[in-house]
Parts: sequence; structure tokens; C-alpha cells
Amino acid sequence: AQTVTQSQPEMSVQEAETVTLSCTYDTSENNYYLFWYKQPPSRQMILVIRQEAYKQQNATENRFSVNFQKAAKSFSLKISDSQLGDTAMYFCALGSAGKSTFGDGTTLTVKP
Amino acid sequence: DGGITQSPKYLFRKEGQNVTLSCEQNLNHDAMYWYRQDPGQGLRLIYYSQIVNDFQKGDIAEGYSVSREKKESFPLTVTSAQKNPTAFYLCASSIGTGPLFGNQPQHFGDGTRLSIL
Repeated sequence: AQTVTQSQPEMSVQEAETVTLSCTYDTSENNYYLFWYKQPPSRQMILVIRQEAYKQQNATENRFSVNFQKAAKSFSLKISDSQLGDTAMYFCALGSAGKSTFGDGTTLTVKP
Repeated sequence: DGGITQSPKYLFRKEGQNVTLSCEQNLNHDAMYWYRQDPGQGLRLIYYSQIVNDFQKGDIAEGYSVSREKKESFPLTVTSAQKNPTAFYLCASSIGTGPLFGNQPQHFGDGTRLSIL
């Protein structure tokens, strides 16, 4: 069985500041992928960033970057220069052959 | 534009009634999924399908049924056996089957909110 744990149910950050969302996981697979998804109040879930487990280099997409610590099974998301539009629920997910598991989510509020 | 269409956006179910939620995709994706989301909670997998005419139970399949007669369509039926159906239901799809299944990002629809009358 594989699990994904997001230990921060809610977080807030001031506009233009940086925030880090935590995610830990457990899997017995050697080949897997990790994802962060964003679900804004309008409800459509979209992909934020993806990391392949066999790549040591941390993935980056504009203001979004991850800190992937494979030995510690940790996959945190850093949002730089936070914007009001970043207010959403963020889900960490683990995908491996035949299985896809989501965490319970972190609700992020960006304050003006 | 390609995407996933879920309908209806809102649905009400009477006691003892079966209801069907529609999910259509024009992304030519092989895999499709149904998730249930309760307020303040994460996504729980109900059913998934990697190819036409084949589907697998997820973590909370009891009280639900699906079919996959066409690649583009993956309807979910909430049966009267599901005693607590009130939730937000999300359909998703992704490319890749077999060893690639689970490794590809998922594309989501806008969801259907189901309530009991």
C-alpha cells in the first residue's frame, strides 16, 4: 500500500511572500512520480508541478518549486512571490504503476 | 479545446433512487477515474479504468457502479445502496496504461455536486 500525508490542513501567507507546503509519502515502488495539484474555489483541479522519482534535480515551474528528499520520502512545494490567485486547496499525489494516491490537501489562503 | 466534461453540475437524488453522473473526454486518454470529495477532505478513488470494457474498484467502490463502453465515456452510477451519497464527484483522465498508469498527470473535470432530497 502507498500513502500520502499532508500534515498542514490550513496555511496562510501574505501576498508577495514565500510559503512551503509539506508532503510525506510512503511506497514500496522504486519507480514513481509525485505531483502537486491545485484546486481553486472554482473547483477545477489543475496540475501545478510533477517530479520523477529517479531524477535528483528538483522540478521548477515559474514561481513553484519542489524540495524532493527521496531518502526522507518528502516532497514539499514552495510558492515564491505568492499571489492572490494562488488561494486554493493544494493536493500532493503519488503515482506508480497501477496506483494513484492523493493526500488530504492543504488549504492555502493568500492575504492582501 | 480538449478537455473533460462532467454533467450535470448539480444533481439531487431521492431515497431509493439510482442516479448516473456523466463524464466525457476528448483528450484521447486511455485511463479514466472517478473520485469522491467530501468537504475539507482529499480525494478518494471510487473506480478507475485503463481500457475500454475494463475497470477496477478503488478504495470506496461499494454503492457505486461504472461502465466503459467507449474510450471517451466513463459514467458513474450512484446506487440506492450508497447510504451517504452527498458529496462532490470528480472525474479525471490520463494517458498511459500498464506500466505508465499512475505515472502521468491527471486532467480533471469541473465536478458534479450530488445532494439528497
